Amino acid sequence: QSVLTQPPSVSAAPGQKVTISCSGSSSNIGYNYVSWYQQLPGTAPKLLIYDDNKRPSGIPDRFSASKSGTSATLGITGLQTGDEADFYCGAWDSSLSAVVFGGGTKLTVL
Amino acid sequence: EVQVLESGGGLAQPGGSLRLSCVASGFTFSTYGMSWVRQAPGKGLEWVSGIRGGYTYYAESVKGRFTISGDTSKNTLYLQMNSLRAEDTAVYYCAKDLYSSSVGRFDLWGRGTLVTVSS
Repeated sequence: QSVLTQPPSVSAAPGQKVTISCSGSSSNIGYNYVSWYQQLPGTAPKLLIYDDNKRPSGIPDRFSASKSGTSATLGITGLQTGDEADFYCGAWDSSLSAVVFGGGTKLTVL
Repeated sequence: EVQVLESGGGLAQPGGSLRLSCVASGFTFSTYGMSWVRQAPGKGLEWVSGIRGGYTYYAESVKGRFTISGDTSKNTLYLQMNSLRAEDTAVYYCAKDLYSSSVGRFDLWGRGTLVTVSS
């Protein structure tokens, strides 16, 4: 059971938009920054979003994120088949003094 | 090139020990927060341990069994794993934090090293 809650899977057609939710609590998302990671099949995770809504250099603006209260959302527009991956949210938890992740969401581009 | 490279994984017996290493290149690892994150076969990411400014942090599942440390002269991060259990079987990733003051914004990941705990 992960501390952060994500839907197990989402799907959409190429060119469409999808959102992935991440729900936590006041000790993690509600108080600390959220990061999002993309893990393509057979590879290490890659940082997509940090500090709730900032993109590292090289990450296209098709990827965006927001946060409200104890929930965060990742949005992906203009879906491509190459976007198929597992996506994870993560945050520091001040009560646990630990990094917590969501269980991951598998994106399928139909 | 900025990168981290893990090594030290392998097969260990339940109750046994292993030491993982993570060599950092292109940056001084002690300047940043560094962590170990694992992923059991077919499962999600689980943060294991982190180090930042001399402070160490551990997941409850490994507290008292695993120890994170670093050697600045070798620019290398370690994870000493004792009293290994079957549930410790996973790919272990070394991850660099974006900032020196934080643990949990991982902008650089290694390729991982597989740890298998089995008799």
